[in-house]
Amino acid sequence: ETGVTQSPTHLIKTRGQQVTLRCSSQSGHNTVSWYQQALGQGPQFIFQYYREEENGRGNFPPRFSGLQFPNYSSELNVNALELDDSALYLCASSFDINEQFFGPGTRLTVL
Amino acid sequence: DQQVKQNSPSLSVQEGRISILNCDYTNSMFDYFLWYKKYPAEGPTFLISISSIKDKNEDGRFTVFLNKSAKHLSLHIVPSQPGDSAVYFCAANNHNDMRFGAGTRLTVKP
Repeated sequence: ETGVTQSPTHLIKTRGQQVTLRCSSQSGHNTVSWYQQALGQGPQFIFQYYREEENGRGNFPPRFSGLQFPNYSSELNVNALELDDSALYLCASSFDINEQFFGPGTRLTVL
Repeated sequence: DQQVKQNSPSLSVQEGRISILNCDYTNSMFDYFLWYKKYPAEGPTFLISISSIKDKNEDGRFTVFLNKSAKHLSLHIVPSQPGDSAVYFCAANNHNDMRFGAGTRLTVKP
């Protein structure tokens, strides 16, 4: 059974650029959630996808968008990057929303 | 808005003793609570959970207690082991909205 994987591991971008982060969910999981974790804080919920449809969204602006594919893998896209977008981005997959399995995260640095 | 709070950023205990990590929440609509453990360079790992209809759930050395009237939950680890040293996050779920606390760094000294 393959766990949740994320790519890339690290990424450096400049302000105003766009970024796409990728997540492969664990086998058998149909739900993917994305979180932003700033230094010293807990993960903050960005949004969730269930069977390719957005199924919930946290308090993030529209420049944060996502996709889920038929194989349940997912992308997080962030447009017009800002310095405060620098964080660890975590993807979590689940079959049951209450028990999510997290990937190792993508560390995004915006300069 | 911090709906889930872990007021102790760090905790240090001796090996073999009990570790008690605390978490408070403000939203009475939360119906499921979880604890995650996170090692450096890894994503959070699910540890234990509890539904709002229960007040205790036990799994080996780990027990989670829920006090709904006080909007408080705690994680007890006994006996604590050095390998338990990690950051522990509590989380609360209301339908599809999962909220996390800021975490407590537990250090278990040999």
